Amino acid sequence: DVKVTQSSRYLVKRTGEKVFLECVQDMDHENMFWYRQDPGLGLRLIYFSYDVKMKEKGDIPEGYSVSREKKERFSLILESASTNQTSMYLCASRVDSSGNTIYFGEGSWLTVV
Amino acid sequence: QQQVKQSPQSLIVQKGGISIINCAYENTAFDYFPWYQQFPGKGPALLIAIRPDVSEKKEGRFTISFNKSAKQFSLHIMDSQPGDSATYFCAASLGFSGGYNKLIFGAGTRLAVHP
Repeated sequence: DVKVTQSSRYLVKRTGEKVFLECVQDMDHENMFWYRQDPGLGLRLIYFSYDVKMKEKGDIPEGYSVSREKKERFSLILESASTNQTSMYLCASRVDSSGNTIYFGEGSWLTVV
Repeated sequence: QQQVKQSPQSLIVQKGGISIINCAYENTAFDYFPWYQQFPGKGPALLIAIRPDVSEKKEGRFTISFNKSAKQFSLHIMDSQPGDSATYFCAASLGFSGGYNKLIFGAGTRLAVHP
């Protein structure tokens, strides 16, 4: 079974803090994604990565950056957290760019106060 | 053009009833339509998917009905059970040059099945 692990499930951060959300997948997948989930808005793509050190902006990249130094690890960075970034963040992976099935982690709940 | 519109936002069904969730799209280039199921505290997981060359796909109690001319597809859950209570997301996949597929999600439907 594919396993996508998000190490931090629940975080509370203060406005202006730098926040790191880490994600690891164990299936040697080329593609990795960060989504944000908000009620009524569905799953919105923040960033994705085709392969190591490759990244592309998704639909809502403002206020976020990412890092992929190793194939299995994809990090989401909030340089200066704001209250409107309070949300559930989902990491996901996919075999490669031609694949259709995306495998999600269990999510990281971030509250910015 | 790349949106997928999902309805209803929430749904309450009695045990044993039929749950129906609908999705609509505009872009006829979409070529793959999956449904994802998300239980509380978990990430979404692929439930069932269909390609536009078929009108229906059934897996157990779950059926996707696809209407290409109307650009609509729906998920039917027969004999709904309390264990089906979850959030359901429809999605549509769009292929780009170079073989890259982009998955676009609907807003989600929160289903509650009451005993």
